[in-house]
Amino acid sequence: DAGITQSPRYKITETGRQVTLMCHQTWSHSYMFWYRQDLGHGLRLIYYSAAADITDKGEVPDGYVVSRSKTENFPLTLESATRSQTSVYFCASKEGLAGGEQYFGPGTRLTVT
Amino acid sequence: DQQVKQNSPSLSVQEGRISILNCDYTNSMFDYFLWYKKYPAEGPTFLISISSIKDKNEDGRFTVFLNKSAKHLSLHIVPSQPGDSAVYFCAASALTNAGKSTFGDGTTLTVKP
Repeated sequence: DAGITQSPRYKITETGRQVTLMCHQTWSHSYMFWYRQDLGHGLRLIYYSAAADITDKGEVPDGYVVSRSKTENFPLTLESATRSQTSVYFCASKEGLAGGEQYFGPGTRLTVT
Repeated sequence: DQQVKQNSPSLSVQEGRISILNCDYTNSMFDYFLWYKKYPAEGPTFLISISSIKDKNEDGRFTVFLNKSAKHLSLHIVPSQPGDSAVYFCAASALTNAGKSTFGDGTTLTVKP
């Protein structure tokens, strides 16, 4: 299926566990992004990537790790999950540099107990 | 310091009337602005955008106005329909800043039949 997908859609994990959220896009977009959305807040950028093997920190990167070995995949790993990382996570992709919109995945709702 | 602010968390309008959603920004480097719409349990979807070289952009029932001197933009929806009920995010980007966007906290629009 064309588009951008995220898996899993829902995840419950325990404090201290490592968890990886997957993101896959079929457009070969250069840019990919990870956001978190907390209740009453907008989308805060965690990490982004301009191309394969090029990643950089966003606004709230602490506790997260990303990699991008292939253009189409951009996994987000929580190395040791904490309750404060309970959130909805959105992956997005974008082509080009000047202007243009981001295309968002459906989100992953993560609960850390 | 929040660079993009949507000061109204919620807005309720009657079907057929105009909805006006507002957004303020502080960073003078922002030169491209977007509005996204988000339904529950879905990712945001792009609605309309405007470049800083324009002061108005129209797409069907949706019009975005940009006032650069006031660092303010607004989204007008005319006429409003119940299906427009959603969370609307304002986003701003600087074309020199790796395609990243900064998002506001969102305004929940409810259109009553």
